[in-house]
Amino acid sequence: EADIYQTPRYLVIGTGKKITLECSQTMGHDKMYWYQQDPGMELHLIHYSYGVNSTEKGDLSSESTVSRIRTEHFPLTLESARPSHTSQYLCASSDRQGNTEAFFGQGTRLTVV
Amino acid sequence: KQEVTQIPAALSVPEGENLVLNCSFTDSAIYNLQWFRQDPGKGLTSLLLIQSSQREQTSGRLNASLDKSSGRSTLYIAASQPGDSATYLCAVSLGGNQAGTALIFGKGTTLSVSS
Repeated sequence: EADIYQTPRYLVIGTGKKITLECSQTMGHDKMYWYQQDPGMELHLIHYSYGVNSTEKGDLSSESTVSRIRTEHFPLTLESARPSHTSQYLCASSDRQGNTEAFFGQGTRLTVV
Repeated sequence: KQEVTQIPAALSVPEGENLVLNCSFTDSAIYNLQWFRQDPGKGLTSLLLIQSSQREQTSGRLNASLDKSSGRSTLYIAASQPGDSATYLCAVSLGGNQAGTALIFGKGTTLSVSS
């Protein structure tokens, strides 16, 4: 059973609002990731972190930002939400050793109106 | 650049059939390959992880194989059930640098099993 949690599960918000999507894991994993998934499309990596105080951008350009102040917490922030940000955001984590499984949260479905 | 392709995109079968889902990747230098299940509007559930040095993994009615040299993996589902209906995703990890351990996904195969 994966112990990685995302909140909120669903969010409908107006254009221009600042939002933070939360992701927490209790497995002590060093590596954490954010993926974006549009309906019917593949997951694309937008941010990753390999430990506290480390964050990098992924393959897909994103206007969001992330922080990693604690091992267990990897929040994603949009300073000014736009309709183009409407998507599902999935958080994942894995151990520092590359051969271990990646575990995913249940996702946050964001709708910007 | 690594690309992952899954065939077929969709599959409908009657209950009880055995079926095979296919995954191919363009760069054979992978670290591992993972199969996931995704139910509509939900996150991903890990099904099987195959290390680069392994040829197959089994869990219950699921069997996944890996042929690195040809860039292929298959997920075999035995005696399919309506509860198996979901989208199945294949993902590879390249290893190496820190970002390389992130997973690169295919678009998935959407399976529908009718009773």
